[in-house]
Amino acid sequence: EPEVTQTPSHQVTQMGQEVILRCVPISNHLYFYWYRQILGQKVEFLVSFYNNEISEKSEIFDDQFSVERPDGSNFTLKIRSTKLEDSAMYFCASSEDRAGVTPFGPGTRLTVT
Amino acid sequence: AQTVTQSQPEMSVQEAETVTLSCTYDTSESNYYLFWYKQPPSRQMILVIRQEAYKQQNATENRFSVNFQKAAKSFSLKISDSQLGDTAMYFCALRNTNAGKSTFGDGTTLTVKP
Repeated sequence: EPEVTQTPSHQVTQMGQEVILRCVPISNHLYFYWYRQILGQKVEFLVSFYNNEISEKSEIFDDQFSVERPDGSNFTLKIRSTKLEDSAMYFCASSEDRAGVTPFGPGTRLTVT
Repeated sequence: AQTVTQSQPEMSVQEAETVTLSCTYDTSESNYYLFWYKQPPSRQMILVIRQEAYKQQNATENRFSVNFQKAAKSFSLKISDSQLGDTAMYFCALRNTNAGKSTFGDGTTLTVKP
């Protein structure tokens, strides 16, 4: 069964550095999402992406964040200047349409020191 | 705005027993999906079961079933014959069909005791 994949599984970075988290959505899916989960807290929506543009974003998704689909397979989340509070698990998800099931990737654990 | 509330931060159950996790939600939309996700210590999000709001019949998936009360905006998860491997955090989530994004509850930590 097709799966969403994410790399790396764990990323450690210093405060102020830029990080790029990568996701490969399921191949025939058209809608892409990033979610964040700070340790011990709930999963929070960051951004949704469709037709090469952001369709919705949350208050968390400020100017430090950006998303891109650089080619036909990858979907990336960039944090320009990481802060300690960006330490979290980041999940990518995708769906065939707005109403479809959105399988989650295994997540990338980001640790900012 | 849509909200999801899980009022039980922690629950425990004896192996082989049945446990029910509660979830209430609020949305102004008429078409939506409800989900239960399992998050084991690995922190991967695993879809357990989903319910389409337009379906009156409660969804079931092996030992997992839901009690969907649309008028009351309640969506509880029943786990029958609990197994040690069911120990995990469980999240209830709501997704409007025209919104795309999902809104999650705070989660319930379930411990299955031998």
